[in-house]
Amino acid sequence: DVKVTQSSRYLVKRTGEKVFLECVQDMDHENMFWYRQDPGLGLRLIYFSYDVKMKEKGDIPEGYSVSREKKERFSLILESASTNQTSMYLCASSLLDRGREQYFGPGTRLTVT
Amino acid sequence: RKEVEQDPGPFNVPEGATVAFNCTYSNSASQSFFWYRQDCRKEPKLLMSVYSSGNEDGRFTAQLNRASQYISLLIRDSKLSDSATYLCVVIRRSNDYKLSFGAGTTVTVRA
Repeated sequence: DVKVTQSSRYLVKRTGEKVFLECVQDMDHENMFWYRQDPGLGLRLIYFSYDVKMKEKGDIPEGYSVSREKKERFSLILESASTNQTSMYLCASSLLDRGREQYFGPGTRLTVT
Repeated sequence: RKEVEQDPGPFNVPEGATVAFNCTYSNSASQSFFWYRQDCRKEPKLLMSVYSSGNEDGRFTAQLNRASQYISLLIRDSKLSDSATYLCVVIRRSNDYKLSFGAGTTVTVRA
């Protein structure tokens, strides 16, 4: 059974803190994605990675960075959290062909106060 | 203009009814299309891919209309368990890679 796990289901951080969100997949997928999901806006792509140490910006990369040191792990970093980054963050993975199905993790609900 | 647009609904239908809704996309170079289902407070999961010739999976039928740039999803004989938000995904893989999710259409099936 395919599995994508995220480090936390709920997270509360203060403005200005550095925040790490971790995602791990056990399917040997090449592609990994980070999205945020907000009411009325749907899922918006923040960053994706198609290989170890490779990354590409999505639609809303400002205020975020990512790290992929191992194939199975993709980290999203908020260098200095702000209240407008309060959101649901979803990680996904897929095979190299980017037109293939994405498997999502359960999400992390981040609240920045 | 948004890359992908969906009617947010909600579509409230009785059990056994047929419900259908569309997803329009703005870029004619889009190549791959999917419908995902997202239950309340859960992650999205693939429902079905959308092929050029249209395709069925049980009570679900997906169609692609390239001329008018939309995809559709039709649910026949609705079940209570079909209540969810349905997200369309459009992918363009020509010179650049662009993946866009719609904001979702909410369907509520009532007894």
